[in-house]
Amino acid sequence: KQEVTQIPAALSVPEGENLVLNCSFTDSAIYNLQWFRQDPGKGLTSLLLIQSSQREQTSGRLNASLDKSSGRSTLYIAASQPGDSATYLCAVRVAGGYNKLIFGAGTRLAVHP
Amino acid sequence: EAGVAQSPRYKIIEKRQSVAFWCNPISGHATLYWYQQILGQGPKLLIQFQNNGVVDDSQLPKDRFSAERLKGVDSTLKIQPAKLEDSAVYLCASSPPDTQYFGPGTRLTVL
Repeated sequence: KQEVTQIPAALSVPEGENLVLNCSFTDSAIYNLQWFRQDPGKGLTSLLLIQSSQREQTSGRLNASLDKSSGRSTLYIAASQPGDSATYLCAVRVAGGYNKLIFGAGTRLAVHP
Repeated sequence: EAGVAQSPRYKIIEKRQSVAFWCNPISGHATLYWYQQILGQGPKLLIQFQNNGVVDDSQLPKDRFSAERLKGVDSTLKIQPAKLEDSAVYLCASSPPDTQYFGPGTRLTVL
């Protein structure tokens, strides 16, 4: 059974810091891995999607890496801003499933001025 | 392009009452999902539709939860009767073959 764990559960940093969010999964048979952002009272917004054959994806100040063999992914946020404050969720799409996503519990990020 | 629409946004009920949520997916998306997100946890898939048909409902508590998708478009999720532990945000998502697009969710509080 696939399980996804995110560390840390919460993080508070001053503006401008570079930070790393961690995600681990127990079964390496995944189709892809996604990082989502969730703002209070809003749905999830997809940030980055890494296919199982890829090692990393970049979008602006965000960079996500994937090491499928070790069951790990990291989301790197450069030069954090108060607007980055949100909950970040990692999800794996299980191989062979109907696009089924298994989510971690998320990392709640607060960036203070 | 309009996003996934859900209503109501908030609902407060007492235990043992019934409640229904509505979802309108993005036009043309064949796949529709209902997730339950309990406070402090990630979303958990309850049911997945491909057009009109159910492809995964393995985590749906079928003694109290039901869902339907009429004509392969809108969907409703019903809870009858509700329990305290059903308090959560219920998210609807839709997708073409790959990326899922999420609605804003319905926050349910069961007292």
